[in-house]
Amino acid sequence: SQTIHQWPATLVQPVGSPLSLECTVEGTSNPNLYWYRQAAGRGLQLLFYSVGIGQISSEVPQNLSASRPQDRQFILSSKKLLLSDSGFYLCAWSVLAGADTQYFGPGTRLTVL
Amino acid sequence: EDQVTQSPEALRLQEGESSSLNCSYTVSGLRGLFWYRQDPGKGPEFLFTLYSAGEEKEKERLKATLTKKESFLHITAPKPEDSATYLCAVEYGNKLVFGAGTILRVKS
Repeated sequence: SQTIHQWPATLVQPVGSPLSLECTVEGTSNPNLYWYRQAAGRGLQLLFYSVGIGQISSEVPQNLSASRPQDRQFILSSKKLLLSDSGFYLCAWSVLAGADTQYFGPGTRLTVL
Repeated sequence: EDQVTQSPEALRLQEGESSSLNCSYTVSGLRGLFWYRQDPGKGPEFLFTLYSAGEEKEKERLKATLTKKESFLHITAPKPEDSATYLCAVEYGNKLVFGAGTILRVKS
């Protein structure tokens, strides 16, 4: 069966510090991968998605970036965090792009102080 | 314009009191509508996918239905463990667009 991991589970970082969040998927090959951010009381906002190694699409202009160095690894990064980057970050995967079920990881709670 | 609107924002029920959550959407040519359950501090858990008007799916006390403009998540005789945020999403432009969710609290 497929599983998706995210780490760290929680993170507290000062403004201006760098960020690296990691997501890995097991039990499947060539998944579509997604990064979402969820603000308190709001829906999920798609940040990035990837259909293959090195292929990244950005949905929202911001100071975040994403990379996919391996087939089942997806990384979310920032060079300098802002207060507005605080939130709950979720990674998801699907077999197909578009109208296909996405399966979510446990999430990372990021607090920027 | 929001593609997905969920109502109510919050719902309190007594154990055993059946009710429905609503998800209305404005995308044309719907290719998929998805329901998820999210517990506090955790990632969303997949519940159902609906693809065409008239389709229904059931899982334990939950039943999802779909029309051309909206979907309902019916909860029959809920229990306290059904308390969670329920999210719906629609496929739009080859991606999923999520509603803000309905927070359900079931009291014993």
